[in-house]
Amino acid sequence: DGGITQSPKYLFRKEGQNVTLSCEQNLNHDAMYWYRQDPGQGLRLIYYSQIVNDFQKGDIAEGYSVSREKKESFPLTVTSAQKNPTAFYLCASSPGHLAKNIQYFGAGTRLSVL
Amino acid sequence: DAKTTQPPSMDCAEGRAANLPCNHSTISGNEYVYWYRQIHSQGPQYIIHGLKNNETNEMASLIITEDRKSSTLILPHATLRDTAVYYCIVRTSGGSYIPTFGRGTSLIVHP
Repeated sequence: DGGITQSPKYLFRKEGQNVTLSCEQNLNHDAMYWYRQDPGQGLRLIYYSQIVNDFQKGDIAEGYSVSREKKESFPLTVTSAQKNPTAFYLCASSPGHLAKNIQYFGAGTRLSVL
Repeated sequence: DAKTTQPPSMDCAEGRAANLPCNHSTISGNEYVYWYRQIHSQGPQYIIHGLKNNETNEMASLIITEDRKSSTLILPHATLRDTAVYYCIVRTSGGSYIPTFGRGTSLIVHP
């Protein structure tokens, strides 16, 4: 099936530890995005990438890092510098052009701090 | 991209139509209106979008006012599975697309 896959579904981080969230898409989309969602809140943009080997910071990039070495993959690392990482993380992709630029979302990763 | 305003919550009886409003009074001529919904603990799902004409698909209908300053998403026969947060977004055509998701409208469909 075509779609966007996030893993793991649940993740626990210890103090001072870096953790990486996986996001893979087989939709041949150019653009990929990472959002953070806190309880009862909307989605806030962390990083986005419009093309391979290029990415830009979103509104809340501090304490996070990404890479885009392959078109289908856009992993997000939550570093130890992110002091409040507990949240629901959502990855999305879109064709990246034209008016029908619909975003497709993964099922999300719920990160908690031990 | 233009800002949108939605009521924080609404409720609807199962089997009745759910009409979710969105105000986008500063929308520009080349901005589309998009609707997504997010069922609890899942990723958002695209529903429908439009520019100025009314649109309908298998999920919903989108009614955009003639002046394009507001729109209404209609779920014609709401079911319990339609309970979700609904987001209204406006964006320009072409170019970079970095959508902003506000808090949306929490729709509760009750029996």
